[in-house]
Amino acid sequence: KAGVTQTPRYLIKTRGQQVTLSCSPISGHRSVSWYQQTPGQGLQFLFEYFSETQRNKGNFPGRFSGRQFSNSRSEMNVSTLELGDSALYLCASSPRLEYREQYFGPGTRLTVT
Amino acid sequence: QQQVKQSPQSLIVQKGGISIINCAYENTAFDYFPWYQQFPGKGPALLIAIRPDVSEKKEGRFTISFNKSAKQFSLHIMDSQPGDSATYFCAARGRDNFNKFYFGSGTKLNVKP
Repeated sequence: KAGVTQTPRYLIKTRGQQVTLSCSPISGHRSVSWYQQTPGQGLQFLFEYFSETQRNKGNFPGRFSGRQFSNSRSEMNVSTLELGDSALYLCASSPRLEYREQYFGPGTRLTVT
Repeated sequence: QQQVKQSPQSLIVQKGGISIINCAYENTAFDYFPWYQQFPGKGPALLIAIRPDVSEKKEGRFTISFNKSAKQFSLHIMDSQPGDSATYFCAARGRDNFNKFYFGSGTKLNVKP
């Protein structure tokens, strides 16, 4: 079974721009979570989607948003990029809500200049 | 406020030695405590996990010790190998919190041959 895939793997954007990252979960998985990983803050939960609905949200500003499609694929969007948004953005999928094991993708490395 | 505190930040162990990483938490609503292993350029991968009704769980060379009263848990890697060199994260999830995990800050383990 193919793992979680994230595209693109690397991205360079300029401050003030917006960016969209994509995540394809493992086939059959319906829950997708997003995390931001930085050296200073570690792994921080952004949000979780299940059946196209946001089920949980972390403490990030409204510039960070996401959505999930009917095929469980998910996108996250960051508008008005700031230098501090430079990070590795990780997507994780689970078969269903409250399923303890999460499977992480390799991440998208976003650099904001 | 960091929900899960992890130490040490880095650890150097000789091949064949025991690696010990510690985590502490405050939220008594946490009911699931996984450990993740992350290699450079990869997403975190679940290593081993424990629930608070169990004091110890062992899988191969990896053991989680859990102290509910002290709100602490630790990962022991027995017979550490150079291939174990990676960053390790502890995490916790609360009841009724779906897949929202709180991660420790990570421990970079270097096993010397």
